[in-house]
Amino acid sequence: SSELTQDPTVSVALGQTARITCQGDSLRLFYTSWYQQKPGQAPVVVIYGKNNRPLGIPDRFSGSASGNTASLTITGAQAEDEADYYCHSRDSSGAVVLFGGGTKLTVL
Amino acid sequence: QVQLQESGPGLVKPSETLSLICSVSGGSMTSHNYHWAWIRQPPGKGLEWIGSIDHSGSTYNNPSLKSRATILVDTSKAQVSLKLSSLTAADTAVYYCARAKVAATLDWFDPWGQGTLVTVSS
Repeated sequence: SSELTQDPTVSVALGQTARITCQGDSLRLFYTSWYQQKPGQAPVVVIYGKNNRPLGIPDRFSGSASGNTASLTITGAQAEDEADYYCHSRDSSGAVVLFGGGTKLTVL
Repeated sequence: QVQLQESGPGLVKPSETLSLICSVSGGSMTSHNYHWAWIRQPPGKGLEWIGSIDHSGSTYNNPSLKSRATILVDTSKAQVSLKLSSLTAADTAVYYCARAKVAATLDWFDPWGQGTLVTVSS
């Protein structure tokens, strides 16, 4: 498979839990990484692999996967979490890097 | 702490070749666990992987670009370069370089450069 599919928009009330999903057949074979991008800035990795957070990323960010779907969960979303989020993995051959189309998270 | 900085022309003409440089500071480029990647983002759109290169010069390219992209690494200068030929307006984008940590079934991009906007227009 050569596609990763994300919902274009997700909304969450302040302090509630947001879940952003990424679907693709290749996710049965390869782990997913997640990136946060705020306007005018470069993307920043927030989750990689099974559920690994780089230094400096708040522990309200977590990742999970089941079958062909990977999820990024933000538990207790804050106003500063409003951003675009992209998933990243590989195609089924492992040779091509894929990005999802991105999800715009709005914190209400 | 590794830092990446892209440089190159902000405006190029259709049919010409774009040349960009990514300068790497604060870390070694020769680890076999790292690849160096170019990723672009058209205005208002999502991310697209252009290709990657490892420390030995082996390259991995996005087939959707139909061999228009050439990526080279010069570890002596701590630089990664991108050449993209036969430009059209569709190549207008912010171009990022990024370091990829690569494992068997997982890779992730960290850090990223700040990006450089390239506009293709006559």
